[in-house]
Amino acid sequence: EAGVAQSPRYKIIEKRQSVAFWCNPISGHATLYWYQQILGQGPKLLIQFQNNGVVDDSQLPKDRFSAERLKGVDSTLKIQPAKLEDSAVYLCASSFNPRGLANEKLFFGSGTQLSVL
Amino acid sequence: AQSVSQHNHHVILSEAASLELGCNYSYGGTVNLFWYVQYPGQHLQLLLKYFSGDPLVKGIKGFEAEFIKSKFSFNLRKPSVQWSDTAEYFCAVNAYGNTGKLIFGQGTTLQVKP
Repeated sequence: EAGVAQSPRYKIIEKRQSVAFWCNPISGHATLYWYQQILGQGPKLLIQFQNNGVVDDSQLPKDRFSAERLKGVDSTLKIQPAKLEDSAVYLCASSFNPRGLANEKLFFGSGTQLSVL
Repeated sequence: AQSVSQHNHHVILSEAASLELGCNYSYGGTVNLFWYVQYPGQHLQLLLKYFSGDPLVKGIKGFEAEFIKSKFSFNLRKPSVQWSDTAEYFCAVNAYGNTGKLIFGQGTTLQVKP
């Protein structure tokens, strides 16, 4: 089966610029996650969607980060304006999870590596 | 708040050596536990998982992990590592009732020398 697709693979921007990442989950997967992975750390959840509704965005810095999943399929994550500390790999993951269960396997994309200069 | 701690940041082993990577979590309720692996140049993928039942779970490529509830631990083991096991390993937990949200440890980089 096709995996989770993310683009771009790499992005270099200057601080205060804006950037957007795109994710297309595996077909039929109801749940979509955006994780931030800073070098040397494990992934940290930014936002979780169940279909096109937000389930958890408690760790999303809402003053600069936004995300949407308009039709319950693909999703975009935006940062505006970017800060130096936003340099990280942004991972998208999806799971079938139609009932929002806690034990569903996550499928990860390859990530977008963001460098903010 | 839930947290996950992995004991070793970087482990170097020779082929055929035995492996044990430590993982401890902090949460008093029922948990689901996972080990994910990221091989060089590849995406994160599930290695094994524990939901309930036998606390010794087996995963792909000869890996296993044991859930010890009294110690809040979920250590990963492999009796004999191969060069192809070189990767980064992440322990993760979610609390029963949470909607799939995973809390990850900081990861352990395993380097296996041929």
